[in-house]
Amino acid sequence: DTAVSQTPKYLVTQMGNDKSIKCEQNLGHDTMYWYKQDSKKFLKIMFSYNNKELIINETVPNRFSPKSPDKAHLNLHINSLELGDSAVYFCASSQGLATSYEQYFGPGTRLTVT
Amino acid sequence: QQQVKQSPQSLIVQKGGISIINCAYENTAFDYFPWYQQFPGKGPALLIAIRPDVSEKKEGRFTISFNKSAKQFSLHIMDSQPGDSATYFCAASRGSSNTGKLIFGQGTTLQVKP
Repeated sequence: DTAVSQTPKYLVTQMGNDKSIKCEQNLGHDTMYWYKQDSKKFLKIMFSYNNKELIINETVPNRFSPKSPDKAHLNLHINSLELGDSAVYFCASSQGLATSYEQYFGPGTRLTVT
Repeated sequence: QQQVKQSPQSLIVQKGGISIINCAYENTAFDYFPWYQQFPGKGPALLIAIRPDVSEKKEGRFTISFNKSAKQFSLHIMDSQPGDSATYFCAASRGSSNTGKLIFGQGTTLQVKP
């Protein structure tokens, strides 16, 4: 039973393209997150949603747009991809905002922009 | 501004030895300090967490030591095993806030030699 799933696992695309990453959690959690992990393995929060409401929007370019159709899904759409967007993107969820210390991460999506 | 500083960046330990990873934080409003373990190609997974009103927490071979006055905490892995080889992240969160933001340290890559 997969708790937090992401698709696709690998994404190779050219500069200027638009791509989406999908995330689903079956834990019944209220809060979902997107993280970017760079080549040095540094994990940085990008967005968080609580009950489909945007809570955190870090200094992320407008080319990145999250969408939460329901509490179990948080998708990430990226427009006009750039070389610097190459990274591993992780989706995560927690029961709520108060339990954000306990997050369940998906397997990650490795995005390579050429 | 990096609010959670982690050291060392990498660590090599012999099997059976003790692995020690240190973290320091700045914001005294943090109220949960988790450690995450990440294996290559996988998402981070919660290992152990501590609140600042507790000086030590032990789960199996993993122990968190917390020094509130020094604003430091550390992870000790006793009897380190090759299977412990992974990247470890300390983190800090403020569950009482309405953002649920989890701030990660830079990560420590641990290699346990047989």
